[in-house]
Amino acid sequence: AQSVAQPEDQVNVAEGNPLTVKCTYSVSGNPYLFWYVQYPNRGLQFLLKYITGDNLVKGSYGFEAEFNKSQTSFHLKKPSALVSDSALYFCAVRDRSNGQNFVFGPGTRLSVLP
Amino acid sequence: DTEVTQTPKHLVMGMTNKKSLKCEQHMGHRAMYWYKQKAKKPPELMFVYSYEKLSINESVPSRFSPECPNSSLLNLHLHALQPEDSALYLCASSPPRGENYGYTFGSGTRLTVV
Repeated sequence: AQSVAQPEDQVNVAEGNPLTVKCTYSVSGNPYLFWYVQYPNRGLQFLLKYITGDNLVKGSYGFEAEFNKSQTSFHLKKPSALVSDSALYFCAVRDRSNGQNFVFGPGTRLSVLP
Repeated sequence: DTEVTQTPKHLVMGMTNKKSLKCEQHMGHRAMYWYKQKAKKPPELMFVYSYEKLSINESVPSRFSPECPNSSLLNLHLHALQPEDSALYLCASSPPRGENYGYTFGSGTRLTVV
């Protein structure tokens, strides 16, 4: 069975500093990996995905993530955080071998302090 | 059109009421999903429709009844709900068998059962 862990419930970072939101996964085969962001009382917005190819993927709003197969990780990063980045972030995985459905991580709340 | 539209945005209903949630997309996606999300938790899959046919029901109580009248519309009929059913209900869509695609989520319906 596939699973996703986000080891930090909460990440606090000062505006202008780099941020990292951690994600590790477990799948039987090769993964498709995704990051979504959720602002209060809103649906999930797609940030970026890893399918194949370059391990460093770039997404929306200046975010990027690095796929590390040996560590089964897909950490989300941004070089310089903005207060407006404060939100709930979900990592998700789809197993290539069984198709359809996402498994979401528990979420990490990011607070960027002015 | 690259959106999933959900109506209503907010709904308050009594335990004896019957109401419906509506979801619409015009991206040509043939897979549509209902998720339930409690506060500060990841979305939980309820139902999956593929080509207008119910393909997955994650053991959801019968007081929730999904319907997919056509390839663009997805409804969730509600009857005799309990207060613990209060949550954000999210609709999503994706290309069928498009495992390398992310889901497009709607903004959700905030449901309160009184």
